[in-house]
Amino acid sequence: EILMTQSPATLSVSPGERATLSCRASQSVRSNLAWYQQKPGQTPRLLIYGASTRATGIPARFSGSGSGTEFTLTISSLQSEDFAVYYCQQYNNWPPLTFGGGTKVEIK
Amino acid sequence: QVQLVQSGAEVRKPGASVKVSCKASGYTFTNYGISWVRQAPGQGLEWMGWISAYNGNTHYAQNLQGRVTMTTDTSTSTAYIELRSLRSDDTAVYYCARDWSYDSLAPFNSWGQGTLVTVSS
Repeated sequence: EILMTQSPATLSVSPGERATLSCRASQSVRSNLAWYQQKPGQTPRLLIYGASTRATGIPARFSGSGSGTEFTLTISSLQSEDFAVYYCQQYNNWPPLTFGGGTKVEIK
Repeated sequence: QVQLVQSGAEVRKPGASVKVSCKASGYTFTNYGISWVRQAPGQGLEWMGWISAYNGNTHYAQNLQGRVTMTTDTSTSTAYIELRSLRSDDTAVYYCARDWSYDSLAPFNSWGQGTLVTVSS
């Protein structure tokens, strides 16, 4: 099973600032890595797939990078609606599909 | 457009079983598989398993083997998950999610709205 580790667990950022979230895989997942955003009481929303491709309708301030075992989600200028929990997911080796534990982006 | 509509909230006692449904519309049901993902209160996302809507093949998470069964009814375009011998730590929101494409399980771009299952004596 591939373990996905996200850091930090909580990120405090002021609106307008840049946020950088990390995700590490216990073994290579190539570029088969997705990022999801989840707000309280809502279903997860796909942001990024293939490590760096934005899903339909996702604003350009969201960008993903990395391959192999190290990945980054960057939000270039945080908007109020971006405060949420973010999860990474590997889909290179399954079963099982595995998610990271999440990073909560909160208002500083 | 793709829609996955799940059944309503359930309350069960420890040791009981629960069956949650996920009715699909807006696409050819048998062309895509369905995964089930759950989220305990305040916790992260846990993939529970996958079923092919084409032939019923399944893959289950190892920690649920023996307690979970996933099925589909192609006549109604509905997927089901049944979880038996419920414990308090099965309390969670259960989501269904459709395969990304005919040849790729993930990522998940289409999700059901979630079904809260509460296990309590």
